[in-house]
Amino acid sequence: DQQVKQNSPSLSVQEGRISILNCDYTNSMFDYFLWYKKYPAEGPTFLISISSIKDKNEDGRFTVFLNKSAKHLSLHIVPSQPGDSAVYFCAAKRGATNKLIFGTGTLLAVQP
Amino acid sequence: SQTIHQWPATLVQPVGSPLSLECTVEGTSNPNLYWYRQAAGRGLQLLFYSVGIGQISSEVPQNLSASRPQDRQFILSSKKLLLSDSGFYLCALGENTEAFFGQGTRLTVV
Repeated sequence: DQQVKQNSPSLSVQEGRISILNCDYTNSMFDYFLWYKKYPAEGPTFLISISSIKDKNEDGRFTVFLNKSAKHLSLHIVPSQPGDSAVYFCAAKRGATNKLIFGTGTLLAVQP
Repeated sequence: SQTIHQWPATLVQPVGSPLSLECTVEGTSNPNLYWYRQAAGRGLQLLFYSVGIGQISSEVPQNLSASRPQDRQFILSSKKLLLSDSGFYLCALGENTEAFFGQGTRLTVV
């Protein structure tokens, strides 16, 4: 039962353009969502998060949007840079536990 | 700030052999600790989590077990490895609303 889904396994974007990574979830009890970035042979690193009481959170080039009615969130990266090339995971948690449920990841390739 | 030590970085083991992966953390006390696995072409699957010494919760039935003998030590084990146990194993520390990950262990079962 995949509670957090990333339906696009890969995405290719030109440098300077916008990258949009999508994530869907099924559990309406999730109240906090996070995005992680992962390079090969390394652990994931935290990128940005959003609480379920908000619909947008912005940090520099990164913006996360949350649509609770659609159970959908997205990560926008603008402008995209070659160094952004990595696997991006969305994750969700519920309540007081910080047990994270991860999606399957999207490989972003930013072409110079 | 917290630090997560995970070793070894890579490991090649024959089918049927035992496994022991160790994770230790510094810079925090009484942390929530997690073991995740990333199998080829798949996302990060939560295997075990622990909220304290001797307290282990298993998320999925499998050929693996976990133990927490000390507050800052989390061990992943198997008595007999299967080919399907191959993957990238990650130890994580939960703090506030985030999880911080170690560098991972690439396990190949041959």
